[in-house]
Amino acid sequence: QKEVEQDPGPLSVPEGAIVSLNCTYSNSAFQYFMWYRQYSRKGPELLMYTYSSGNKEDGRFTAQVDKSSKYISLFIRDSQPSDSATYLCAPYKAAGNKLTFGGGTRVLVKP
Amino acid sequence: DAGITQSPRYKITETGRQVTLMCHQTWSHSYMFWYRQDLGHGLRLIYYSAAADITDKGEVPDGYVVSRSKTENFPLTLESATRSQTSVYFCASSPANSPISTDTQYFGPGTRLTVL
Repeated sequence: QKEVEQDPGPLSVPEGAIVSLNCTYSNSAFQYFMWYRQYSRKGPELLMYTYSSGNKEDGRFTAQVDKSSKYISLFIRDSQPSDSATYLCAPYKAAGNKLTFGGGTRVLVKP
Repeated sequence: DAGITQSPRYKITETGRQVTLMCHQTWSHSYMFWYRQDLGHGLRLIYYSAAADITDKGEVPDGYVVSRSKTENFPLTLESATRSQTSVYFCASSPANSPISTDTQYFGPGTRLTVL
């Protein structure tokens, strides 16, 4: 069983819709939960991260973590075609400096 | 240009050949990393380096060799390429080891390697 699971997609939505992305993990030692965005043929870039359970908002992006169920979510409001990319969740634990990437979910926002 | 670059961007080689992937960064970041990305596996850490002449294994180091004689360069060598090493390879650099620091890891554009 993989430590971090993501639905590969693609997730196709019309412009302006809310994009909902999910990720599950198995290691309860993870403390930080990162989201990376990766455009086609490019390297990943850090979008945002949260610490422990709770919500964090950054512009149109909201990250949620539920440590009790080991479930991570990323929501994109008012989606734009420029949001079309692959989104990778990556839980992290400071002890051992372990950053574990999920396989990513491909998102397509259609004009 | 400032930033992190990788070369070549695309490479096709044959089983058993030695291949070296280059990574160069202009920020003088202490830490550098090599990842491979495969469908269904996400990014997996191969090797990382905390400074010149200091390297350590990551999650999937077998079949790879790294060196870091200069802070700005971190080449990855496949000593005898195998088909299972067909992948997209990303180099990253960071001023700190932790991805939660203010300055996070910056990834290069990747090298797409095919081993026939």
